[in-house]
Amino acid sequence: AQSVTQPDIHITVSEGASLELRCNYSYGATPYLFWYVQSPGQGLQLLLKYFSGDTLVQGIKGFEAEFKRSQSSFNLRKPSVHWSDAAEYFCAVGAIGNYQLIWGAGTKLIIKP
Amino acid sequence: EPEVTQTPSHQVTQMGQEVILRCVPISNHLYFYWYRQILGQKVEFLVSFYNNEISEKSEIFDDQFSVERPDGSNFTLKIRSTKLEDSAMYFCASGREEYGYTFGSGTRLTVV
Repeated sequence: AQSVTQPDIHITVSEGASLELRCNYSYGATPYLFWYVQSPGQGLQLLLKYFSGDTLVQGIKGFEAEFKRSQSSFNLRKPSVHWSDAAEYFCAVGAIGNYQLIWGAGTKLIIKP
Repeated sequence: EPEVTQTPSHQVTQMGQEVILRCVPISNHLYFYWYRQILGQKVEFLVSFYNNEISEKSEIFDDQFSVERPDGSNFTLKIRSTKLEDSAMYFCASGREEYGYTFGSGTRLTVV
C-alpha cells in the first residue's frame, strides 16, 4: 500500500541548531517527493521537490532534502533554524501519471529561544 | 507573488445543506485540485481537474461532491448535502505542471 510516514509528531530544537525531519515512504512506482510547510492559519507552501537527478535537493528558506532510494527516505534538513521556521511540515509523494499526492501526518516544529 | 485565493475562510453550515467552496487559482495555471484535512488527520486528495474535466478523483469524492470551473477563473467545490464528517479544512491548489502546485489558505468547513 502507498503510504508516507513521518515518525516524529513533534520536534523541539533550539534557535540556531540544526534540524532534520524524517520522512519514509512506501510507493510502488518511481516516486516524486515533496516537502510542504504550513504555518498556523496559512496554506501549504512548497519547500522543495524531487523528481529525478541529483538526490540532494535545495529548497526555499535554506532547506534541503536528500532522497535515499535504498532507505525509501526523503529527510528534510536545515543547518540553522530560525524562530520563524516554527510550523508544521508535511512530506508527500506522487508519481508520474498519478495526479494525487499521498501525505504524511506532519511534524510540528517547535523552536526554543 | 501570485496566490491561490479561497473564500470564505470559515463556513458554518447545517447538516444536509449544500455548500460551495470557492477558489481563484493562479491565472496561467492549468491543473486544479481540491484536498481536505480533517482536524488531526492527514491531508487527503479529493479531485484533480485539467482541461475542463476531472482527471482523477479519490473514493472520498462521491456523488455528493462536484467541481466546476464556471467562468475560466473560479474553481468551485460543491458538497450537495453536507454531513457532520465533512467538517474539515478544504484546500484548493493550482499548478502549471502536474506537481509542485500552489495551495490556498484553505476554507474551514464546520457542519453542525
